[in-house]
This record gives sequence, C-alpha cells and structure tokens, in this order.
Amino acid sequence: AQSVTQLGSHVSVSEGALVLLRCNYSSSVPPYLFWYVQYPNQGLQLLLKYTSAATLVKGINGFEAEFKKSETSFHLTKPSAHMSDAAEYFCAGGFKTIFGAGTRLFVKA
Amino acid sequence: DAMVIQNPRYQVTQFGKPVTLSCSQTLNHNVMYWYQQKSSQAPKLLFHYYDKDFNNEADTPDNFQSRRPNTSFCFLDIRSPGLGDAAMYLCATSRLTGSSYEQYFGPGTRLTVT
Repeated sequence: AQSVTQLGSHVSVSEGALVLLRCNYSSSVPPYLFWYVQYPNQGLQLLLKYTSAATLVKGINGFEAEFKKSETSFHLTKPSAHMSDAAEYFCAGGFKTIFGAGTRLFVKA
Repeated sequence: DAMVIQNPRYQVTQFGKPVTLSCSQTLNHNVMYWYQQKSSQAPKLLFHYYDKDFNNEADTPDNFQSRRPNTSFCFLDIRSPGLGDAAMYLCATSRLTGSSYEQYFGPGTRLTVT
C-alpha cells in the first residue's frame, strides 16, 4: 500500500535557525512528491513539487527539499526560519495524492 | 488572478438540516476535489470529478453528495449533518488526474453543526 509518513507532528525552532521537516514515502509511491503549507483557517498552498527533473527542488519562501530514492525520503528544509513560517506543513504523493499527517511548525522569537 | 473560490467561508447549520457548500474555479481545470479536514488532521478525500465523471471514495458516507453543473462550479451537499461532520471542507482543482499534477486549493469552508 502507498503511504506518506511525516516524522514529528510538531517541530519547534528559534527564529533564524534551520528548519527540517521530515517526510518518508513508501517505495510504491510514484516519483511525484509535493510539500504544501497551510496557514490557520486557510486552504493548502503548494510549496514545491518533485517531478524527477532534479533531486533538489527549490520552492517558494526559501524552502527546498531533496529527493533521496535510497532513503525514500523527501525532507523539507529552510536555512533560516522566520516567524511567518509558523504553519502546518503537509507532504503528499501517490496516485491519489495521499497526504501525510502534517507537521506543525512553531517558530520562537 | 486565477483561483479557487469557496463560499461561504464559515457556515453554521443545525443538526439534521441540509447544507450546501459551493466552490468555483477560474483555472479551467478538468478535475475538482472535495476534502474534509478535521482539526489537526490531514485532508481526507471525499470525492472528485474528472470533467463530469464522478468518483466517490469508498469510505465517504452516503450523507455526502456532490454536483458539478459545469466546469467552473462544484457543490458539496450534506443531506443530514451530524455533529461529527463539523470540519473544514476544502475544494481543490488540478489540470488532470494523475500523480504528477499538483492541486490548487480554495480557502475552505468551516462548517459548524449545532
């Protein structure tokens, strides 16, 4: 069965610190993976998308993600967190777009 | 700007009273989706339309119905809302179905059932 797993339901970082949100996918998931961000009481917004053109994908707001087939991972990173990054982040993929459970990012001043 | 619009943003209905949520899109996408999202959970797909072809998820309750009268509009009807149906309802579109196509989401309608 296809699955997308996000490690850590909550991540807390200080402003200016590295952001790392983890996502692993089952090997049966096709090689198209997405990260979405959701701010409170809003819909989901696409951050970035992997389509096999390059393993390192750059997205909006300074985020990027690296596709590692050997580790079946697609972790999301940002070098320096900003207060405005506080939100819920969803990794997604699969034939019918399976969403991970989400990771809430907290940014401390 | 091309977008996905949901109305209303907040809807209050009474237990058992039918309610309709609406979604419109200016992207001219073939596919429209309805998701239910409960607090601190991932969106759960209820159904989707590919053009006029309706695709229901196996575990979507019969209480939930949908209509797509044209490319731009899609409606979610909840025939007899229960307290457990209180959630955020998200509409999304994509150009085509398939794993490579990202989805574009509306802002959601938060449904309260009293």
